[in-house]
Amino acid sequence: AQTVTQSQPEMSVQEAETVTLSCTYDTSESDYYLFWYKQPPSRQMILVIRQEAYKQQNATENRFSVNFQKAAKSFSLKISDSQLGDAAMYFCAYRSSGTASKLTFGTGTRLQVTL
Amino acid sequence: DSGVTQTPKHLITATGQRVTLRCSPRSGDLSVYWYQQSLDQGLQFLIQYYNGEERAKGNILERFSAQQFPDLHSELNLSSLELGDSALYFCASSVETVTAFTNYGYTFGSGTRLTVV
Repeated sequence: AQTVTQSQPEMSVQEAETVTLSCTYDTSESDYYLFWYKQPPSRQMILVIRQEAYKQQNATENRFSVNFQKAAKSFSLKISDSQLGDAAMYFCAYRSSGTASKLTFGTGTRLQVTL
Repeated sequence: DSGVTQTPKHLITATGQRVTLRCSPRSGDLSVYWYQQSLDQGLQFLIQYYNGEERAKGNILERFSAQQFPDLHSELNLSSLELGDSALYFCASSVETVTAFTNYGYTFGSGTRLTVV
């Protein structure tokens, strides 16, 4: 079974600075998908960014980018120009490439953004 | 509005009782997933339905059951409730149809917060 590990329970960043959240995963599959979800205080789960394992190019969505290292099974999230609204729990998630497969989540990293 | 509708938003009930949580997926999505998130915890996969059939089971207790109806909405039934069942229950649907398969992430509903007293 696949596992997802987020080793940073909490992180803090100053507004306008850059922060990187770590995620590692364990799988024997070669084709899969990785995601970062954001959960603000409202508790809504919001998709931040996704990465296909077959793509070498790292995904980017505005201020959010990932560093995907397939061999190392690492998938970190970089948030640039941090804003107060970025404060939330961030979950890394893994999904197999099979049809209608489930998401496996890490335990989350709580990000605080300070002035 | 994500397009995934969960009702009710909040539910308070006593131990030993039974409740039903309802989920309507995004239009056209065939897959429905249920997750449980206890306080300050990650999301634990409970069960998945695809086009009316159970597809996968996770750490779902025997006291819990679910089904997906012909109109694709799903219900999660929780019975003999215990204090430890208090949690946020999420439903999510994914972009999968009979003729197309994409591997985007799920779209989550806003959750049902269950409090067992």
